[in-house]
Amino acid sequence: AQTVTQSQPEMSVQEAETVTLSCTYDTSESDYYLFWYKQPPSRQMILVIRQEAYKQQNATENRFSVNFQKAAKSFSLKISDSQLGDAAMYFCAYRSSSGGGADGLTFGKGTHLIIQP
Amino acid sequence: GAGVSQSPRYKVTKRGQDVTLRCDPISSHATLYWYQQALGQGPEFLTYFNYEAQPDKSGLPSDRFSAERPEGSISTLTIQRTEQRDSAMYRCASSPTAGAQETQYFGPGTRLLVL
Repeated sequence: AQTVTQSQPEMSVQEAETVTLSCTYDTSESDYYLFWYKQPPSRQMILVIRQEAYKQQNATENRFSVNFQKAAKSFSLKISDSQLGDAAMYFCAYRSSSGGGADGLTFGKGTHLIIQP
Repeated sequence: GAGVSQSPRYKVTKRGQDVTLRCDPISSHATLYWYQQALGQGPEFLTYFNYEAQPDKSGLPSDRFSAERPEGSISTLTIQRTEQRDSAMYRCASSPTAGAQETQYFGPGTRLLVL
């Protein structure tokens, strides 16, 4: 079974600065998908960014980018120019490319990101 | 609909009672997922539907948990004889197909408290 580990229960950053959230995962598969979801105080789950394991290029979405290191099984999220609205729980998630949906998403325990004004 | 909706948003029940939670997915989406999120944890996969078929129930914690999607749209998750350990946020998500590449769109969740 796959596992996802987020080793930082909480991170704090000054507004406008850059912060990196860590995620590692364990899998024996070669093809899979990785995701970062944001859960703000409203408790919604919002997709931030996704990465296909077969792509070597790191995904980028505006101020959000990832550092995907397949050999190290690492998938960190970098938030540039942090804004107050970025304050939330961030969850890293893994999904196998096999199984046709049967596995769902496997989530880490989350990192609570605090933005200091 | 515009997004995934769930009802009720909050449910308080007494131990031993049955509860039914409802999920209304995005209207064009074939695949629907249920997750359980305990306090301080990430969501854990329970089960999923492809249209009305439920290929995998292995994530359901016990036989007190069951889910239905009889017409391939709205789904319900029923917990019989609730126990305090069932207290959690229950999240529903939908995606256009069951393909692994698909993004799952989550609903707001139902927070269940069992007293």
